[in-house]
Amino acid sequence: EDKVVQSPLSLVVHEGDTVTLNCSYEVTNFRSLLWYKQEKKAPTFLFMLTSSGIEKKSGRLSSILDKKELFSILNITATQTGDSAVYLCAVAHNNAGNMLTFGGGTRLMVKP
Amino acid sequence: SQTIHQWPATLVQPVGSPLSLECTVEGTSNPNLYWYRQAAGRGLQLLFYSVGIGQISSEVPQNLSASRPQDRQFILSSKKLLLSDSGFYLCAWRWGSPEAFFGQGTRLTVV
Repeated sequence: EDKVVQSPLSLVVHEGDTVTLNCSYEVTNFRSLLWYKQEKKAPTFLFMLTSSGIEKKSGRLSSILDKKELFSILNITATQTGDSAVYLCAVAHNNAGNMLTFGGGTRLMVKP
Repeated sequence: SQTIHQWPATLVQPVGSPLSLECTVEGTSNPNLYWYRQAAGRGLQLLFYSVGIGQISSEVPQNLSASRPQDRQFILSSKKLLLSDSGFYLCAWRWGSPEAFFGQGTRLTVV
């Protein structure tokens, strides 16, 4: 059975801290790994990772994939209160429906 | 540009009543369409997906059904709601690349 596991489940930090969110997976037909941010309603797309060892970066957020050890991390530096959200990791499958299998999410709260 | 519309935003329904949630996509043709459910504090569970008109695949056997009567319309239905159907329902689309784009969701409470 395909599995995507995120840790920690939740995290409380103060503004300016750096956080690392983890995502491990065991899936068939791996195509790519995606990170989403969900504040109140619709998850919004952050990154897509397909190759090992190549860091994707957007402002204070960065992410990297290790296809040998089957995990990815999402780093957020100099956190701000606006970073408070649920961060979702998903694996895209290389199959007919190109489905996404999601992890349970990490709830991040950034305090002022 | 592509947009996805999902309605209603919130819904409170009694047990045993029917359900119809609608999702439409604009600005793209022949997208893959998906229905997900998110229980409180949990990740997204794929319920149905569709690769074309009238083509529905179910991932989880349950009290729900889906239909795709038009290329950019995806409907989630139930004949009789159960308490366990409560949750946050998200419609999503994708075309080409792996990332999916989500609607704003419907928060369903069955009472």
